[in-house]
Amino acid sequence: GEDVEQSLFLSVREGDSSVINCTYTDSSSTYLYWYKQEPGAGLQLLTYIFSNMDMKQDQRLTVLLNKKDKHLSLRIADTQTGDSAIYFCAESRGAGSYQLTFGKGTKLSVIP
Amino acid sequence: NAGVTQTPKFQVLKTGQSMTLQCAQDMNHEYMSWYRQDPGMGLRLIHYSVGAGITDQGEVPNGYNVSRSTTEDFPLRLLSAAPSQTSVYFCASRFLDRGEAFFGQGTRLTVV
Repeated sequence: GEDVEQSLFLSVREGDSSVINCTYTDSSSTYLYWYKQEPGAGLQLLTYIFSNMDMKQDQRLTVLLNKKDKHLSLRIADTQTGDSAIYFCAESRGAGSYQLTFGKGTKLSVIP
Repeated sequence: NAGVTQTPKFQVLKTGQSMTLQCAQDMNHEYMSWYRQDPGMGLRLIHYSVGAGITDQGEVPNGYNVSRSTTEDFPLRLLSAAPSQTSVYFCASRFLDRGEAFFGQGTRLTVV
């Protein structure tokens, strides 16, 4: 199966919370990331979490990590139309491995 | 700081032509890497480097060469372009002992 899996689409109403989910397979992952990509643009690092943490909050963003289930989620509070983009989950595996392995991305559509 | 800078932003090549995609970072990061992004495939690692003079292959290295003569620069060379190399190419960099990984804005390459 896929190393990093995400659902492909999510649609939410403006002002609601969005929750984007990701599962990964490598238990030795050291860092887990969320990137945002707007149409025609590069990848913007939104946030990342070290694997010994359960949660990280940064303004409207909350990352939850369930290491037992290898599940990562990104919650965006008070979702705005400017949040419409593709969100990529990625993992960095094990000591000495610095490359990132990406999911295929979740396209978030915000309905005004 | 400029961060990670990629040039050119767009390029059209004919089959069989060669070219070099440039990547430069001003953050003194040891690790640099090249990914390609294709529809439905996510991002796949082409080549990476953990420091000047050291390079290694990623998941999809065929048809590409890299070198790392300085810490700042990590050019990607296409020796004989093929239509299968039509893609968006991203360069990324990070410190070896920190989690943050930053991406350039991408180079959109079309091979006809």
